[in-house]
Amino acid sequence: NAGVTQTPKFRILKIGQSMTLQCTQDMNHNYMYWYRQDPGMGLKLIYYSVGAGITDKGEVPNGYNVSRSTTEDFPLRLELAAPSQTSVYFCASSPLQVWDNEQFFGPGTRLTVL
Amino acid sequence: AQSVTQLGSHVSVSEGALVLLRCNYSSSVPPYLFWYVQYPNQGLQLLLKYTTGATLVKGINGFEAEFKKSETSFHLTKPSAHMSDAAEYFCAVSEGSGGYQKVTFGIGTKLQVIP
Repeated sequence: NAGVTQTPKFRILKIGQSMTLQCTQDMNHNYMYWYRQDPGMGLKLIYYSVGAGITDKGEVPNGYNVSRSTTEDFPLRLELAAPSQTSVYFCASSPLQVWDNEQFFGPGTRLTVL
Repeated sequence: AQSVTQLGSHVSVSEGALVLLRCNYSSSVPPYLFWYVQYPNQGLQLLLKYTTGATLVKGINGFEAEFKKSETSFHLTKPSAHMSDAAEYFCAVSEGSGGYQKVTFGIGTKLQVIP
C-alpha cells in the first residue's frame, strides 16, 4: 500500500492564480481531511469528507473548495491564491470506525504565494 | 469545545536523558487522546493513542503516555532520549458524535536531542 499520496510536493503561485492540490489514498478509508500547518499554529482543519459525495467545512475553509467523487481521491482547490494561503498542506484519511480516529497523513505540499 | 495545550514549544534534552513532553486538554465528554510525531519534511504519524481502558499507553519507539483524568493531562515520556527522537510532537484530542469525530491538535513541541 502506498498509503496517502499528495502532489505536488512544492509549488509557487502568483497572487490570483488557482491550483488544485491532489490527494489519493489506497486504504479504502471513508474519511478524508485537508489540514494546513503554519509555524507555531499546529494543524488547522480546512475541509473534511465522510464518504464519496459528502464534504463539509472545517475551521478555516475560506478561499478553498473540495470535491469527493470517489473514495480514493480528495482534491483541494485554491481559486484566487493569496499570500495568507502560504502554508504546508496535509491530506489525511482514517477508517470508518468511530472509536478509532487514527489518521494517516500524506507527506504534504509546501505552497508559497507571492 | 475541546482544546489542547502543549507546554513548551521547544524542549531540549541530552542524549540518554528522560524525555517529558506536556499536554493538557479540555473536553466536555470522555476524550480520545493521541500523540503524533512529525519528522522533518514528512507528514504526521501516530505514536500512541488512548481510547478507553488502561490509562498508561505504550507506543512506538519506546514512548508512553499516561491519561490522568483528574489532571486533564496526557504527558508523553521516554526514559532515554535517542538522537533519532529529534522531531516535532503533536498532542491531539478527539470527541464527537455520530460517524465523525473532530480532532483538535496542539501547536506542537519541537524536541532537540543534544549529543
